[in-house]
Amino acid sequence: KQEVTQIPAALSVPEGENLVLNCSFTDSAIYNLQWFRQDPGKGLTSLLLIQSSQREQTSGRLNASLDKSSGRSTLYIAASQPGDSATYLCAVRDAGNMLTFGGGTRLMVKP
Amino acid sequence: DAGVIQSPRHEVTEMGQEVTLRCKPISGHNSLFWYRQTMMRGLELLIYFNNNVPIDDSGMPEDRFSAKMPNASFSTLKIQPSEPRDSAVYFCASSLWTGDYTFGSGTRLTVV
Repeated sequence: KQEVTQIPAALSVPEGENLVLNCSFTDSAIYNLQWFRQDPGKGLTSLLLIQSSQREQTSGRLNASLDKSSGRSTLYIAASQPGDSATYLCAVRDAGNMLTFGGGTRLMVKP
Repeated sequence: DAGVIQSPRHEVTEMGQEVTLRCKPISGHNSLFWYRQTMMRGLELLIYFNNNVPIDDSGMPEDRFSAKMPNASFSTLKIQPSEPRDSAVYFCASSLWTGDYTFGSGTRLTVV
């Protein structure tokens, strides 16, 4: 059974810092990996989708990498802003189209 | 596109009552998923449909939970009878096969 772990569980940084969120998964037979953002009391917003054949994806200040063989992904946020404060969730999809979520990293960016 | 639409946004009900949650997926998406989110257990997949057919319902907690998808544009999740431990946020999501998942805003259920 696939297990997804995110470290750290919570992170507090001053505005302007570059930061890295980590995600690991136990079964490397994944179809793709998706990073989501969740604001308090809200739904999930898709940030980046990386197919299993890809190494990374970029969108603005966000960059996600994937190392399928080692079962790891990272989400890099450049020049963090208070508006980036949210919970970030990593999810892996198997060939059966099912997503397994990590527990999330709760990020606080202080002005 | 209006995205995945869930109703109601909030539901407060008494223990023992029947609760029905509704979801309208994005037009053209052929997969639909119901998730439950709690502080203790995070996001859990309850059931998912492909082309309106239930594919995996192993996450449905017990017989009190049932889900239907009578057509490509509508799904329901029903809890009967409801219990306080069912209190959670229930999300519906849809996707094309292996495409991006799109989540609805969720239904916050409180059973008192």
